[in-house]
Parts: sequence; structure tokens; C-alpha cells
Amino acid sequence: NAGVTQTPKFRVLKTGQSMTLLCAQDMNHEYMYWYRQDPGMGLRLIHYSVGEGTTAKGEVPDGYNVSRLKKQNFLLGLESAAPSQTSVYFCASNRGGTASEQYFGPGTRLTVT
Amino acid sequence: GENVEQHPSTLSVQEGDSAVIKCTYSDSASNYFPWYKQELGKRPQLIIDIRSNVGEKKDQRIAVTLNKTAKHFSLHITETQPEDSAVYFCAAWGGGSNYKLTFGKGTLLTVNP
Repeated sequence: NAGVTQTPKFRVLKTGQSMTLLCAQDMNHEYMYWYRQDPGMGLRLIHYSVGEGTTAKGEVPDGYNVSRLKKQNFLLGLESAAPSQTSVYFCASNRGGTASEQYFGPGTRLTVT
Repeated sequence: GENVEQHPSTLSVQEGDSAVIKCTYSDSASNYFPWYKQELGKRPQLIIDIRSNVGEKKDQRIAVTLNKTAKHFSLHITETQPEDSAVYFCAAWGGGSNYKLTFGKGTLLTVNP
């Protein structure tokens, strides 16, 4: 099993550009999450999904959109990137139903200039 | 929603000493409390977890205690080693219809040889 994978690993964007981050999991997990991690701020939840076709807002959703068209994939979109979105983005998943171990992807380091 | 406070934000110990990190949570319905370790440049990884029907859990040099009445839980690392140096995050999973983990802001543990 590859577990949770993220594409790309690194990206540099100019202000106003758009991009999509892809998260994929091969564990048949129901729940998937996108977090951003900034120094001293811990892990902040952007959006999450509790099943194919569902999405919900987390703690810091503004400026981001998500889609979960297939159970194994969770996409995070930035329509018009801003320097404040410079961060490390982590995707995670867990099997859902009851509280269980959450698995993280390797992260995407995004810089917006 | 759930709120998780974590202390201290930084902790420095000598190799061989013990380290204790404490977290409090606000939602009495929370029922699952994992601890994650994140090494520099890596993804968070689960090191130990505890459910609300258990007061203490141990795995070799690490242990977690839970006090449901006081709504706090702690991570104990004994006989610390330099490879224990990392950022540690506590988290709480809300009960009921809450589908996500709420993380503390993290503790940077440094073990000095």
C-alpha cells in the first residue's frame, strides 16, 4: 500500500495564479482532510469530506475549494493564490465510522510570491 | 466546537530524563485522544492513542494518561533519547456527529545529548 500520497511535493506560484493539489489514498478510507501547517500555528483544518461526493468547511476554508468525486481522491483548489497561502499542506485520511488512526500524506510545500 | 490547549510550546531535556506534555480539551463528548510525532520536514505520525474508556496506556517508553473529569490528557516519555527530538501534537476527536480531530498547537521537544 502506498498509503496517502500528495501531488505535487513543491510548487511556487505567483499571486493570482491558480492550482490544484491532489491527494490520493489506497486504504478505502471514508474520511479525508486537508490541513495547512504554518510555524507556531499547528495543523489547521481547511476542508474535509466524510464520503464520496461530500465536503465540509473546516477552520480556515476561505480562498480554497475542494472536491471528492472519487472515494480515493480529494482535491484542494486555490483559485487566486495569495502570499498568505504560503504554507505546507497536508492531506490525511481515516476509515471513518468511529474514531480511528488518521494517516497523513507527505505534504506539499507551496510558496506564493 | 472542540478546543484543545497544549503546554508547553517548547521543552528541552537532557538525554535520559523524562518529558511530559499536557493537553486540555473542552468537549466532554470527545472520546479519542491521539498523539502525533512530527520530525523536521516529515509528516505527522501516530505514536500512541487512548480512548475515553481507558485511563492510561503504555507502549515501551511512552505512556498517555487521561482524566475525563478534568478533561485533560498527558504524554509521558521516559529515558529520552536524541531521536525523540521532534514536534509532538495532541488531538481530540469529538463525540456525536463531529467527524474530525482538533489538534493542539504542538510542543517542540529537544533532547540534549
